[in-house]
Amino acid sequence: GENVEQHPSTLSVQEGDSAVIKCTYSDSASNYFPWYKQELGKGPQLIIDIRSNVGEKKDQRIAVTLNKTAKHFSLHITETQPEDSAVYFCAASRGAAGNKLTFGGGTRVLVKP
Amino acid sequence: NAGVTQTPKFQVLKTGQSMTLQCAQDMNHEYMSWYRQDPGMGLRLIHYSVGAGITDQGEVPNGYNVSRSTTEDFPLRLLSAAPSQTSVYFCASSYTGATDTQYFGPGTRLTVL
Repeated sequence: GENVEQHPSTLSVQEGDSAVIKCTYSDSASNYFPWYKQELGKGPQLIIDIRSNVGEKKDQRIAVTLNKTAKHFSLHITETQPEDSAVYFCAASRGAAGNKLTFGGGTRVLVKP
Repeated sequence: NAGVTQTPKFQVLKTGQSMTLQCAQDMNHEYMSWYRQDPGMGLRLIHYSVGAGITDQGEVPNGYNVSRSTTEDFPLRLLSAAPSQTSVYFCASSYTGATDTQYFGPGTRLTVL
């Protein structure tokens, strides 16, 4: 089955700096790559996703890039703010061919004011 | 809309006891799933369902049963609780499958003594 590795496991940044989280996946048939943010005591919430026919996607201060050849995708957060402090998860799915979502181990991001 | 609701919020069991974690959604979503979240291991899929009457196994199904008699409800049963099942359990739902936005419930924190 699919295996998703996520790095780093913790990330501390100064407010205003950028944060980058990287994920690799093992199944070349995977075609959907979402990112979820989990705040303390809550369930994860989707912040951005990308499909395999797109190399990059942006939404305000967050962006995701995908390299299908290397089986690698990344989350970029620019101009970090204290409210960006949370745990972030990447995930991968091969869609109807498997209909399962496999998550990475998570990255705890701390934005220091 | 209440979204995805889970009960109970907290539960303590003794080894060997059985219990049911409840999950309900009011968004008319076809796809529902259960995950467990353990420190450093991200979210691991236990079971999922693509519609009423249809369920399938995820990565870590052993020791858990599910059924889907209605579109709204997807209970998770622990048959004989073990300390290894101590975890936070999340239920999620989406319109059609793993490549749609997953809406997570608030979670159930389960401790097995």
